[in-house]
Amino acid sequence: DAGVTQSPTHLIKTRGQQVTLRCSPISGHKSVSWYQQVLGQGPQFIFQYYEKEERGRGNFPDRFSARQFPNYSSELNVNALLLGDSALYLCASSADSTIWEQYFGPGTRLTVT
Amino acid sequence: AQRVTQPEKLLSVFKGAPVELKCNYSYSGSPELFWYVQYSRQRLQLLLRHISRESIKGFTADLNKGETSFHLKKPFAQEEDSAMYYCALLNTGGFKTIFGAGTRLFVKA
Repeated sequence: DAGVTQSPTHLIKTRGQQVTLRCSPISGHKSVSWYQQVLGQGPQFIFQYYEKEERGRGNFPDRFSARQFPNYSSELNVNALLLGDSALYLCASSADSTIWEQYFGPGTRLTVT
Repeated sequence: AQRVTQPEKLLSVFKGAPVELKCNYSYSGSPELFWYVQYSRQRLQLLLRHISRESIKGFTADLNKGETSFHLKKPFAQEEDSAMYYCALLNTGGFKTIFGAGTRLFVKA
């Protein structure tokens, strides 16, 4: 198992555009969490999905949305991009709904110009 | 509010010296606390959990509810311990991990 995978690795977008980031969890894991990590800060929680249901949402505007598919992979969508959305977006998977142990992907580096 | 504070952005120690990475938290009730580590060019990974009371790579962390702290300690630092360390708190409900800003540990030869 390659672990948690994320795509793309990097991308550059212009203000106002929309972006979709993808995450594939470890095989057998049913929970996916998304985090935003701005340079110099720790990861900030955006969403958690378990069994295709949203279990939690962090303090992010409605421009951020996500979903989880029947195969437990997940997408994070960000609309109307702002310069401040430039960050590393991390995906983590865990076996259960309670995040006792989560495994992180390598992240997607988003740059908004 | 639930919050994690790591007061040191950078900690530099010599090889063989003891190391303590500080973490303070704000939480009502019994917290579930973690330390995560990110080595150079590697993914963020779990180092240890308070609930497991285990020692990983020589590191231990003790929960002090009176001081609301969960400091990470190692008696003799090694060069391979150089990394970014994040203290984290699992929220009520268990679906949200709250991370501190992180401390970069640099172990000098």
